[in-house]
Amino acid sequence: QSALTQPPSASGSPGQSVTISCTGTSSDVGGYNYVSWYQQHPGKAPKLMIYEVTKRPSGVPDRFSGCKSGNTASLTVSGLQAEDEANYYCSSYAGSNNWVFGGGTKLTVL
Amino acid sequence: QVQLVESGGGVVQPGGSLRLSCAASGFTFRSYGMHWVRQAPGKGLEWVTYIPYDGSNKYYADSVKGRFTISRDNSKNTLHLQMNSLRAEDTAVYYCTKDARWSFDYWGQGTLVTVSS
Repeated sequence: QSALTQPPSASGSPGQSVTISCTGTSSDVGGYNYVSWYQQHPGKAPKLMIYEVTKRPSGVPDRFSGCKSGNTASLTVSGLQAEDEANYYCSSYAGSNNWVFGGGTKLTVL
Repeated sequence: QVQLVESGGGVVQPGGSLRLSCAASGFTFRSYGMHWVRQAPGKGLEWVTYIPYDGSNKYYADSVKGRFTISRDNSKNTLHLQMNSLRAEDTAVYYCTKDARWSFDYWGQGTLVTVSS
């Protein structure tokens, strides 16, 4: 199973929007609507932010949104806040009870 | 509230074995599948293994197949990971996570496994 491709870094100023991409193949991202996104602050456990491409768990601000087109999924963070600075990972179901993660994107709030 | 608490990490020599445990509370453990996900120091997340709610089957990443074994004890709300033939590249923080229909909705704090001579 090959890792999904994410840009290593992204940045934006407070109040701006930033989008992080996650590219896979037709065997994972493109084949299932089971992409999820995780936020991880340094030294902490990951936190689920988006599941099933577009859904937000209870308690996650609506500033976080997800979408997918073909083999690429995206996470958009609108109205950037200082506390959004973290590492973000995408994940996709890859069939046959296997999952795959992206390499992670470090989001910097300028 | 959901709590997942891992234990059992430590330092082990290459070729050695280690058994991790995850104590679950705050939800009906026997009704949910569970995963182990790991993170090497300074690196990204890697899915390791999954076990359905009833332990009927077990699924593994190619990198650990044949060396790691996931199991669960629904009477004790506990998940385990038996790791054999450990290699330096298995060095990582190991997280216990709750399955949420194709995603991972709750994570433990992780336990560090270091494989070194």
